Amino acid sequence: DAGVIQSPRHEVTEMGQEVTLRCKPISGHNSLFWYRQTMMRGLELLIYFNNNVPIDDSGMPEDRFSAKMPNASFSTLKIQPSEPRDSAVYFCASSRTASSGANVLTFGAGSRLTVL
Amino acid sequence: GQQVMQIPQYQHVQEGEDFTTYCNSSTTLSNIQWYKQRPGGHPVFLIQLVKSGEVKKQKRLTFQFGEAKKNSSLHITATQTTDVGTYFCAGPSGGSNYKLTFGKGTLLTVNP
Repeated sequence: DAGVIQSPRHEVTEMGQEVTLRCKPISGHNSLFWYRQTMMRGLELLIYFNNNVPIDDSGMPEDRFSAKMPNASFSTLKIQPSEPRDSAVYFCASSRTASSGANVLTFGAGSRLTVL
Repeated sequence: GQQVMQIPQYQHVQEGEDFTTYCNSSTTLSNIQWYKQRPGGHPVFLIQLVKSGEVKKQKRLTFQFGEAKKNSSLHITATQTTDVGTYFCAGPSGGSNYKLTFGKGTLLTVNP
C-alpha cells in the first residue's frame, strides 16, 4: 500500500494566485481529512469527508478555501486567492472507522505551501 | 470548545535519560490517541487508549490513560536518538469520534 499520497510536496506562489493541493487516500478508507499545521496554531482540522460527502467544514478559514472529493480516491483543497498567512503545511489524512467508532488517521507526507 | 493541553512544549534530554509528556483534556474523552512526527515528517499513529486507567507498552514506550479519562501520559525509558520528534496526543471533540483535537505537541530532542 502506497499510503496517502499528496501533491505537490512543496509549493511557492505569490499572493493572489490560486493554489490547488491534491490527495489520494488509502484504498478502502471511507474518511478523509484535511489538516493545516503551523507553529502558532498546531494541527487544525479544516474539513472532513465521509464516503466522499463533506460532513464538517467548520474549520475552513474563510470563503477563499474550498475542498472537493469527486470520488473515493481523490480530493482537492483549493485556496483562491492565496495570502501570505495561508503559508503552512497542509496534511491530508484518511481512515477507516474502527468498530469502536474512533478514527485512526494515516497522514500523507504533506504539502508545504509558501505564499510570498 | 474542548481543549487538549500538552506539557512540556519542549524537552531536551541526554541519550539514555527518560522522558515523559503529559496530555490534559478539558472534557472526558472516549479515547485518546498518540502520534509521533519526526522533524520534516508527518504525524504517524502510535497507539489508542480507550479504557479508564489503561496502560499499554510498546518496547520502551509506556502509554497511560487516566482514571477519569481526562488525562494521558507517554513515558519513554532510556531515550535514543531515534526517539527525536514531536509527540502529539489527540482526542475526539464535539461529541464525535471523527473530529480529533490535537494537542500542540511536545518536541523531544536527544543529545547523543
